[in-house]
Amino acid sequence: RKEVEQDPGPFNVPEGATVAFNCTYSNSASQSFFWYRQDCRKEPKLLMSVYSSGNEDGRFTAQLNRASQYISLLIRDSKLSDSATYLCVVNQGGKLIFGQGTELSVKP
Amino acid sequence: DAGITQSPRHKVTETGTPVTLRCHQTENHRYMYWYRQDPGHGLRLIHYSYGVKDTDKGEVSDGYSVSRSKTEDFLLTLESATSSQTSVYFCAIRPDGTLVGGYTFGSGTRLTVV
Repeated sequence: RKEVEQDPGPFNVPEGATVAFNCTYSNSASQSFFWYRQDCRKEPKLLMSVYSSGNEDGRFTAQLNRASQYISLLIRDSKLSDSATYLCVVNQGGKLIFGQGTELSVKP
Repeated sequence: DAGITQSPRHKVTETGTPVTLRCHQTENHRYMYWYRQDPGHGLRLIHYSYGVKDTDKGEVSDGYSVSRSKTEDFLLTLESATSSQTSVYFCAIRPDGTLVGGYTFGSGTRLTVV
């Protein structure tokens, strides 16, 4: 079993849609959690950290459920520029463990 | 952007040859990491460093070695390149202390072993 598992993609959605990505992690001792975004043939970049109380950054909302070891990312009012791969990332002892990523394609 | 650069950006090499990839940072961070990214596997940790001459193995370290003789440089060496090491290699850095903001990645090196 992979340490961090994400929804298989790709997600193809129209502009303006709301899309949700899910992620589960296997190590209950994981300390912190992140969503990264990776554009085609580019390096991953931090999108947002994920906090137990849930947090928002504009159109993006991240949730964490430690009891279920589940992380989510909600994107509202999707833009063409949101097309990318979204990586669920877990910190275990100072090392980041990455999910495979979910590809999002937003169409006009 | 954070001061982290990787070289070369692209390389084609022959099976059995040694290859060294360089990661250079200007942030004076202690922690540096090498990952490889392959379809179906995501990013996997190869080696990491927590200071000059202090390194440790990651998940997929076989066939790789690293060196860190200066804070700013972290070198990844493929001792005898194989086709299975064809991949995109990313270096990353993070600030000392609590891991709050995640890592910052370099632009990657695309390595092809023929």
